Amino acid sequence: EAQVTQNPRYLITVTGKKLTVTCSQNMNHEYMSWYRQDPGLGLRQIYYSMNVEVTDKGDVPEGYKVSRKEKRNFPLILESPSPNQTSLYFCASSLSGPNTEAFFGQGTRLTVV
Amino acid sequence: AQKVTQAQTEISVVEKEDVTLDCVYETRDTTYYLFWYKQPPSGELVFLIRRNSFDEQNEISGRYSWNFQKSTSSFNFTITASQVVDSAVYFCALTRWFQGAQKLVFGQGTRLTINP
Repeated sequence: EAQVTQNPRYLITVTGKKLTVTCSQNMNHEYMSWYRQDPGLGLRQIYYSMNVEVTDKGDVPEGYKVSRKEKRNFPLILESPSPNQTSLYFCASSLSGPNTEAFFGQGTRLTVV
Repeated sequence: AQKVTQAQTEISVVEKEDVTLDCVYETRDTTYYLFWYKQPPSGELVFLIRRNSFDEQNEISGRYSWNFQKSTSSFNFTITASQVVDSAVYFCALTRWFQGAQKLVFGQGTRLTINP
């Protein structure tokens, strides 16, 4: 089954404790991205990757890091989480091209206390 | 700059009513793509439809229909004879292709509640 898998689904952590949210897709998609969803703001892009070892900032990259060492994986790293990073996070993947449908993971609800 | 506005934050209707979700976009691109996604209470995002800027034909899929009007920069979504299962948050999104990268810009979302 074609899917994007994120882990964990839920996470509560403390300020400053490094964490990683994993994302894996099995569709051989070149393009992957991370979004955060906040009430009243919709989804905003954090980082994206056009292919292995090619990543770039989205609209709200501050406080986040990513890596793309393999085509299928695109982890999101919070080196020192802060309460304003409490949010719902989505990983997405798609084929290259502007008209391609993005497939989204199930979401990760992160709470930073 | 690109922007998508969904002015209706929340809509509540009774089952079997028709309901229209508005979406207005801004872009300077001549080629762009518009999407609608559904986010049911379970939280995942489900793709509903894609439309490119050169195709202004309206589309109907069962109880769902979409009205794309370039003249007013709108891409509205209508559910006919709504059902409780249609309750969800709906997002309109605009995408462009810039320097080899796809950028999806989402609206704020409209929370639709269908009451039995």
